[in-house]
Amino acid sequence: DGGITQSPKYLFRKEGQNVTLSCEQNLNHDAMYWYRQDPGQGLRLIYYSQIVNDFQKGDIAEGYSVSREKKESFPLTVTSAQKNPTAFYLCASSIGQGADEKLFFGSGTQLSVL
Amino acid sequence: AQSVTQLDSHVSVSEGTPVLLRCNYSSSYSPSLFWYVQHPNKGLQLLLKYTSAATLVKGINGFEAEFKKSETSFHLTKPSAHMSDAAEYFCVVSDDNYQLIWGAGTKLIIKP
Repeated sequence: DGGITQSPKYLFRKEGQNVTLSCEQNLNHDAMYWYRQDPGQGLRLIYYSQIVNDFQKGDIAEGYSVSREKKESFPLTVTSAQKNPTAFYLCASSIGQGADEKLFFGSGTQLSVL
Repeated sequence: AQSVTQLDSHVSVSEGTPVLLRCNYSSSYSPSLFWYVQHPNKGLQLLLKYTSAATLVKGINGFEAEFKKSETSFHLTKPSAHMSDAAEYFCVVSDDNYQLIWGAGTKLIIKP
């Protein structure tokens, strides 16, 4: 089955700890995205990558880092600098460009602070 | 700058009755507009998309939306609600760089 796999489903972070959220896709999509979802708010873009070894900051990149060493993988690290990390994190990949772009989402990771 | 406003944070309807989820947008040009659905603790799925073709757009699961430029609206409707429609729905507009701007979401509650 083709799709986007996010792991783990639930993750807990201790004070001052960095944690990494995994996102893997086997759709052969070039573009991948990380979004943060908070209750009562729309999705906000953290980082995106249009191609391997390249990525750009989104609207709320502070306290986060990413890498894109392989086309299939786009892990997100939530660093200790992110003071309010509790949220639902969604990874997406896309096909097509501009108005024809279509997003495919993973099932998300819920991150909570202990 | 583009923005999107979902007018209701929660909508509650009885099973078998019509659904109306309201969305207004602002855009300096003719935008692309989307509705996404998110079932509890799941990823998002595209319901439908408007990109300057027909103003009435039909989506999956019996949903449709009408683009009304004069009202800057893109309301989502369904003639008859089903229990499986209970979810959160997001209205989305794309900006002139094709970046997506998300509404805050509307939780649809279906009463038996």
